[in-house]
Amino acid sequence: DQQVKQNSPSLSVQEGRISILNCDYTNSMFDYFLWYKKYPAEGPTFLISISSIKDKNEDGRFTVFLNKSAKHLSLHIVPSQPGDSAVYFCAASAGNTPLVFGKGTRLSVIA
Amino acid sequence: DGGITQSPKYLFRKEGQNVTLSCEQNLNHDAMYWYRQDPGQGLRLIYYSQIVNDFQKGDIAEGYSVSREKKESFPLTVTSAQKNPTAFYLCASSVQGARGYGYTFGSGTRLTVV
Repeated sequence: DQQVKQNSPSLSVQEGRISILNCDYTNSMFDYFLWYKKYPAEGPTFLISISSIKDKNEDGRFTVFLNKSAKHLSLHIVPSQPGDSAVYFCAASAGNTPLVFGKGTRLSVIA
Repeated sequence: DGGITQSPKYLFRKEGQNVTLSCEQNLNHDAMYWYRQDPGQGLRLIYYSQIVNDFQKGDIAEGYSVSREKKESFPLTVTSAQKNPTAFYLCASSVQGARGYGYTFGSGTRLTVV
């Protein structure tokens, strides 16, 4: 049973436009959410996180929004750049338990 | 430079053999993790350790074993009991209590059964 779901396997966006990646979760005990970026044959790199006490966190071009009532979070990238092309993973944890990851969304930013 | 090192980058195993994947970190992190990535499957947790000489099974521990004799090292053994070991294996580490910073991952080991 998937606790973290990324229902869009892929997304294509034009350079300069906004990229919106979505993530849904089922476990109401999750209290920390993170986004990771991954290039092929490399390990994921941490991008941005949000705790359940907030509904928004921003870091440069990246903003994460959390809607607890809907059990939904999204990552916004503005403006999108070709170097943003990668697989993005949503992850969540409850207390001190290990991160649970979604299946990822492959973002392609087209110049 | 502090970081987490996985070796080897590529590993080939014959059916019926055990192989050990190395993971070393010099970040002074308490916790270490092993994840497996298959195409379209995301990252699935194999084992994790939050302190030296202690570790717990993750969601897909069958056919794997680990040890945590030193804080810096968390090797993963893929045994012959693992039915489908071909995958990309990722090791990670984290600071206990610093949840907002997530995990630091190694660059991975691709294991192929031949």
